[in-house]
Amino acid sequence: SQTIHQWPATLVQPVGSPLSLECTVEGTSNPNLYWYRQAAGRGLQLLFYSIGIDQISSEVPQNLSASRPQDRQFILSSKKLLLSDSGFYLCAWSLSQSTYEQYFGPGTRLTVT
Amino acid sequence: AQSVAQPEDQVNVAEGNPLTVKCTYSVSGNPYLFWYVQYPNRGLQFLLKYITGDNLVKGSYGFEAEFNKSQTSFHLKKPSALVSDSALYFCAVRERTNAGKSTFGDGTTLTVKP
Repeated sequence: SQTIHQWPATLVQPVGSPLSLECTVEGTSNPNLYWYRQAAGRGLQLLFYSIGIDQISSEVPQNLSASRPQDRQFILSSKKLLLSDSGFYLCAWSLSQSTYEQYFGPGTRLTVT
Repeated sequence: AQSVAQPEDQVNVAEGNPLTVKCTYSVSGNPYLFWYVQYPNRGLQFLLKYITGDNLVKGSYGFEAEFNKSQTSFHLKKPSALVSDSALYFCAVRERTNAGKSTFGDGTTLTVKP
């Protein structure tokens, strides 16, 4: 069966510090991968999605970036965090065909102080 | 462009009563539609989806949803609510020509009172 991991689970970082959040998927090949941010327990904002290695689309211009160094690994990064980057970050995967649902990781709670 | 609306921020029902969480969408052509549930401090869990065929789809935990093309709606329903159904519910839509990107609604908080 497939599983998705995210770490860390919680993170407190000062403004201006770098960020690296990691997501890995097990049990499937060539998944679509997604990074979302959820503010205040409400709607999801799609940040990045990837349909393959070196194929990453950015949805919202900001100080975040994403990379996919391996087929089942998706990394969210920032060189300098802003207060507004605080939130709940969710990674998700889906099978490559568009009919399929997404499966979400447990999330990372980021607080920028 | 695809979009989805959940017109109610909050839905309150008594345990044992039927529940409905509303969702309307806008896409070019025929949609793929999804419902997800989120418990506090957790990731989203997939409940059910409409791809094609029967307009009434059944999913996990006794939930079902009805696809209504003329009203562009995909309301989530359950005949008898449980206290444990209390959570945040998200509707999502994807255009068939889209490579894999869904648009999520803002979510509806369902509270089931004993």
